[in-house]
Amino acid sequence: GQNIDQPTEMTATEGAIVQINCTYQTSGFNGLFWYQQHAGEAPTFLSYNVLDGLEEKGRFSSFLSRSKGYSYLLLKELQMKDSASYLCAVRDGDYQLIWGAGTKLIIKP
Amino acid sequence: IAGITQAPTSQILAAGRRMTLRCTQDMRHNAMYWYRQDLGLGLRLIHYSNTAGTTGKGEVPDGYSVSRANTDDFPLTLASAVPSQTSVYFCASSDTSGGAGDTQYFGPGTRLTVL
Repeated sequence: GQNIDQPTEMTATEGAIVQINCTYQTSGFNGLFWYQQHAGEAPTFLSYNVLDGLEEKGRFSSFLSRSKGYSYLLLKELQMKDSASYLCAVRDGDYQLIWGAGTKLIIKP
Repeated sequence: IAGITQAPTSQILAAGRRMTLRCTQDMRHNAMYWYRQDLGLGLRLIHYSNTAGTTGKGEVPDGYSVSRANTDDFPLTLASAVPSQTSVYFCASSDTSGGAGDTQYFGPGTRLTVL
C-alpha cells in the first residue's frame, strides 16, 4: 500500500539545527514535496526533490534518497517563527499527492 | 483576487443540510483539489480535477460531490451533512507543467462543524 511516515512531534532550541525525516512506500515516485503549515493556516510550499541529493534554499535544505525511500528536511539557525507542522508529500504518478500526517516542530527559547 | 480564495471561512451546519464550499483561483492552473484535514490524519484527498470539465475521486469521496465548469472555480458540495464531515477543508491548485511546476498552492481553508 501507499504509506508515508514522519515523526509526530519534535522539539528543538532556537538557533539550533533540526532534521525532520520522512520515509515513504509508494507504488511509483515522481517527486517529493515539503510544506510548512502554521497552526490555523494553510500549507505553504517549501521544497521539491525529484533526483537524489540535497537541495538548499536559505536556512532550509531537503535531501532525497530514492533507493532508500527517504527524505529529510534540515532547518538551520532555528527561529521561533519556525514553530509549525512540516508535511512530507509524494507524487506517485499523476498529479495527486500522497501526504504524511506531518511533524509538529516546537521551538524553545 | 490573488491566488486561491475559499468561502465561507467557517460554518456551523445542522446535520442533514446541504452545503457548498466555494473555491476560486486566478492563476489559470489546470488542476484543482479538495482536501480535508483532521487532527492526526494529515491531508486526505476528497476529489480532484485535472482540467476543466473533468473530475476524479480521491481517497475519501463518499458524501461529497464536485463540478468543474470552468478553469477558475471548483465547488465542493455536501448533499446531506453528517457530523463525521466536521473538518477543515482546503482547496488547492497546480499548473501540471511537470516537475516543481506541479506544486500545489492552497487556499486559506474552510472550518466546517456539523452538529
